[in-house]
Amino acid sequence: DGGITQSPKYLFRKEGQNVTLSCEQNLNHDAMYWYRQDPGQGLRLIYYSQIVNDFQKGDIAEGYSVSREKKESFPLTVTSAQKNPTAFYLCASSIIVGGTSNEQFFGPGTRLTVL
Amino acid sequence: AQSVAQPEDQVNVAEGNPLTVKCTYSVSGNPYLFWYVQYPNRGLQFLLKYITGDNLVKGSYGFEAEFNKSQTSFHLKKPSALVSDSALYFCAVRDGGGYQKVTFGTGTKLQVIP
Repeated sequence: DGGITQSPKYLFRKEGQNVTLSCEQNLNHDAMYWYRQDPGQGLRLIYYSQIVNDFQKGDIAEGYSVSREKKESFPLTVTSAQKNPTAFYLCASSIIVGGTSNEQFFGPGTRLTVL
Repeated sequence: AQSVAQPEDQVNVAEGNPLTVKCTYSVSGNPYLFWYVQYPNRGLQFLLKYITGDNLVKGSYGFEAEFNKSQTSFHLKKPSALVSDSALYFCAVRDGGGYQKVTFGTGTKLQVIP
């Protein structure tokens, strides 16, 4: 799992609550990503960021929000607008060389369960 | 639009036998192809990538993959499977360089039988 940490490992949310998942990297990578993993569906991109103070929506951004105030940190907030948030959430980072992003390094994941 | 397909949900192989995990892709430009492995309740680990050059790419833990442009495939292979290779394997593709998002396949569960 390299130099990327995610916390907490397990998270329980009640209906109507917002929760924030932490992602920190010490790899000095430029780009960071959030994915959602559901059984049989592979990984789906929620948000990504190439530089500080800039981020773009991925394929399934509705009900989620992010910030990128520091290069090493990319927290994800799961809002009450996300109707089916129970899933395994993965954070990743990659270096950008010559304008091209390379392979991604993943954190250990956070398993979110809605009670 | 780019896409990647892993046609097998699960592959079973006896320990010591060669293994193949299949992946096909679709892009409009030059493909950047990746393989990752995931152990239970863990993040993904990078195994290998193809960007350009030799069609046979060697990666971590004795794995290799062969890029076949005419068949748009990038199958993962290993000459002799280990029980510890049992895991979930993901193929991923990006359409060209620069910054475009990566599309992941749905994963193939590899079960190596002792």
